Amino acid sequence: DIQMTQSPSSLSASVGDRVTITCQASQDIRKFINWYQQKPGKAPKLLIHDASILEAGVPARFSGSGSGTEFTFTITGLYPEDFATYYCQQYESLPPLTFGGGTKVEIK
Amino acid sequence: QVQLVESGGGVVQPGKSLRLSCAASGFAFRSFAMHWVRQAPGRGLEWVAVISNDAINKFYSGSVTGRFPISRDNSNNTVYLQMNSLRPEDTAIYYCVKDWGRGDGYNLGDSWGQGTLVTVSS
Repeated sequence: DIQMTQSPSSLSASVGDRVTITCQASQDIRKFINWYQQKPGKAPKLLIHDASILEAGVPARFSGSGSGTEFTFTITGLYPEDFATYYCQQYESLPPLTFGGGTKVEIK
Repeated sequence: QVQLVESGGGVVQPGKSLRLSCAASGFAFRSFAMHWVRQAPGRGLEWVAVISNDAINKFYSGSVTGRFPISRDNSNNTVYLQMNSLRPEDTAIYYCVKDWGRGDGYNLGDSWGQGTLVTVSS
């Protein structure tokens, strides 16, 4: 199984801040990573696929980069509605599809 | 628009069975693989299983292999998860997820159901 190590597990930030989350894969997953946002009581929302491609309707302040085993997800200029938990997920290999442990972005 | 509506969750004793259903609408169901993903209370996401559009191929996570067969009925646009020999650690919200449908491998898409809660407790 491919392990996805996501960090940090939580962070505190203010509106307007730049936030960066990283995911490290246990083996080469090329560009095959998704990033999700999940708010309490809601299903996850897919933000990015193929490491850097924004889903339709996702604001441009969200971005992703990386390939191989190291990936980065960035929010450039936090909005109040961005406080949520974010997950990475690889789809290079299944079974299983695997997720990172999540990063909770909280208000400072 | 795509709609996925899960049902069948509830409270069940360890060792018992439960069948989850996911009714799909708003897209060509028979053309897409379908997944189940679960989330234990306060925990992260865990992929459970996928079934190909034609039900020929099925893949499972190691934690449910042999216990949770996945199936589908393309005439009724429904995917199922039969949950057998349930354990307390299976307690979670179970989400039905439409595959991204790119045709070059399985991946979770952008359409998720609202989830159904399964609680395994004596």
